[in-house]
Amino acid sequence: AQSVAQPEDQVNVAEGNPLTVKCTYSVSGNPYLFWYVQYPNRGLQFLLKYITGDNLVKGSYGFEAEFNKSQTSFHLKKPSALVSDSALYFCAVRDINTDKLIFGTGTRLQVFP
Amino acid sequence: GAVVSQHPSWVICKSGTSVKIECRSLDFQATTMFWYRQFPKQSLMLMATSNEGSKATYEQGVEKDKFLINHASLTLSTLTVTSAHPEDSSFYICSARIKRATSTDTQYFGPGTRLTVL
Repeated sequence: AQSVAQPEDQVNVAEGNPLTVKCTYSVSGNPYLFWYVQYPNRGLQFLLKYITGDNLVKGSYGFEAEFNKSQTSFHLKKPSALVSDSALYFCAVRDINTDKLIFGTGTRLQVFP
Repeated sequence: GAVVSQHPSWVICKSGTSVKIECRSLDFQATTMFWYRQFPKQSLMLMATSNEGSKATYEQGVEKDKFLINHASLTLSTLTVTSAHPEDSSFYICSARIKRATSTDTQYFGPGTRLTVL
């Protein structure tokens, strides 16, 4: 079965510092991986996805994610965090058998001024 | 990017009443729409998948007679919570996938509807 894991419930980082939000996956076949962000009382906003090609995927708001096949990881990164990046981040994988998105448990990012 | 809207954004109702939530894809046609439920500080739980013109497919444990889903067109899906009770209070989020969907196509999410049943 396809799954993703987000090992950190919360990540704290100072504004201006680089940030990483971790995600590991378990799939059979090629992984289709996604990152979404959720602000309070809002739906999910699409940040980026990996389907194939370059391992470094660039997305919205300066975010990027690195696909690492050997480590089965798809960590979300940003070189310089902003206070406005504080939100809940979800990693997801598309189950190729059911064509459904499977979400991780989410990681709350807190950026301190 | 693609925009998905939901209406209403929040609703408060009395126990026993029915509530309808609309989900619209504003600038694209959605072959498939999804309805999720999210409890506080938890991830999204898929409730059902709806395809335009056909019956929705419900996830295990989701009562189809309680959560009625209609996907009337390629841009509109509705979720009706029938005879709502306090335990139905939650944040409901819809999602739409662009037509000509393949496994690589992106799902876009609505802003969510906060339902509170008194």
